[in-house]
Amino acid sequence: AQSVAQPEDQVNVAEGNPLTVKCTYSVSGNPYLFWYVQYPNRGLQFLLKYITGDNLVKGSYGFEAEFNKSQTSFHLKKPSALVSDSALYFCAVRDRNNFNKFYFGSGTKLNVKP
Amino acid sequence: GAVVSQHPSRVICKSGTSVKIECRSLDFQATTMFWYRQFPKQSLMLMATSNEGSKATYEQGVEKDKFLINHASLTLSTLTVTSAHPEDSSFYICSALAGGVYEQYFGPGTRLTVT
Repeated sequence: AQSVAQPEDQVNVAEGNPLTVKCTYSVSGNPYLFWYVQYPNRGLQFLLKYITGDNLVKGSYGFEAEFNKSQTSFHLKKPSALVSDSALYFCAVRDRNNFNKFYFGSGTKLNVKP
Repeated sequence: GAVVSQHPSRVICKSGTSVKIECRSLDFQATTMFWYRQFPKQSLMLMATSNEGSKATYEQGVEKDKFLINHASLTLSTLTVTSAHPEDSSFYICSALAGGVYEQYFGPGTRLTVT
């Protein structure tokens, strides 16, 4: 079965430090992978995606993610965290065999402290 | 970027009444729209998938007679919560897919409170 796991409910990091939000997936075939961010009482905003090609993808607000096929991971990273990055982050995978099927992780709350 | 709107952003209704939430894709045609419910502990639950002009596909455990979804055009989908009860209070989010685009675009969400 297809699934996405975000093993950390919460990640705490100091402003200026690098941050990583983890995501692993289980899908058949090659995945389409996404990261979204959600601020309080708002919908999800698209950050970045991996479709094919270079394993390191760059997205909005200085975020990047690395697709690792052998580890079936797609961790979100940023070299230097900002307090304004504090939000809820969701990893998602789209089923290549059923284009209307998306699977979302449970979300990770990122807290960046000044 | 693609913009999806939702209306209303917040609604309070009495138990037993019905509430309609609209989801619009403002600058693109949405081949598919999705409705999610988000629970307080953050997880998203997919309620249904709808394609323009056809019946919505509901996820297991979602009552289709209670959560009526209509996708009347390529830019509008509506979710009607019928005979609402306090346990239906939640944050409802829609999203839309455009043809040839890989990612979903989400609306800003609707906070429903049933008293």
